[in-house]
Amino acid sequence: RKEVEQDPGPFNVPEGATVAFNCTYSNSASQSFFWYRQDCRKEPKLLMSVYSSGNEDGRFTAQLNRASQYISLLTRDSKLSDSATYLCVAANPGYALNFGKGTSLLVTP
Amino acid sequence: GAGVSQSPSNKVTEKGKDVELRCDPISGHTALYWYRQSLGQGLEFLIYFQGNSAPDKSGLPSDRFSAERTGGSVSTLTIQRTQQEDSAVYLCASSLERASYNEQFFGPGTRLTVL
Repeated sequence: RKEVEQDPGPFNVPEGATVAFNCTYSNSASQSFFWYRQDCRKEPKLLMSVYSSGNEDGRFTAQLNRASQYISLLTRDSKLSDSATYLCVAANPGYALNFGKGTSLLVTP
Repeated sequence: GAGVSQSPSNKVTEKGKDVELRCDPISGHTALYWYRQSLGQGLEFLIYFQGNSAPDKSGLPSDRFSAERTGGSVSTLTIQRTQQEDSAVYLCASSLERASYNEQFFGPGTRLTVL
């Protein structure tokens, strides 16, 4: 079983929609959490870190529930340019980052 | 400033040949990772270098895979006797110190095709 699980999607939504990405992690010792974005045939890039208290960056809100080992990313007012694959990441106390397989998002006009 | 660079961008090789993939991390980044990503799959961790410490090789899939990091900077990933299942995009990333607390910056990757 993979350490980080995500719904692969694809999620097809119209512009302006609100989209929720969910992720679970299996290692309760994971300490740090991130969301990365990967455009088609490009390298992943950090979208935002995820803090226990929840955090917001513009149209994006990330939440962490340590008790449920669950991470979420909410995207409001979706833009065409949001179309990409969103990767959930959990970092273990050692050095390895565990990436989920990603959830594909397609925003349509 | 310059980001992480990788070369070559594409490599086509025949089964059984050896290949070398190169990564130039961001200057000053002490942590360097290698991952591979197969079509439709997530990132698979291969190996991690942190400063002068012994590398974490726990992700290497077989003894055909090896990596070096010279002078704490440039890294080379070597795949010996390549197999078709080695075909993937090989991504290098670097970060300040421990990547678990710092953003990882990825290079554009090397797309390896083994015929």
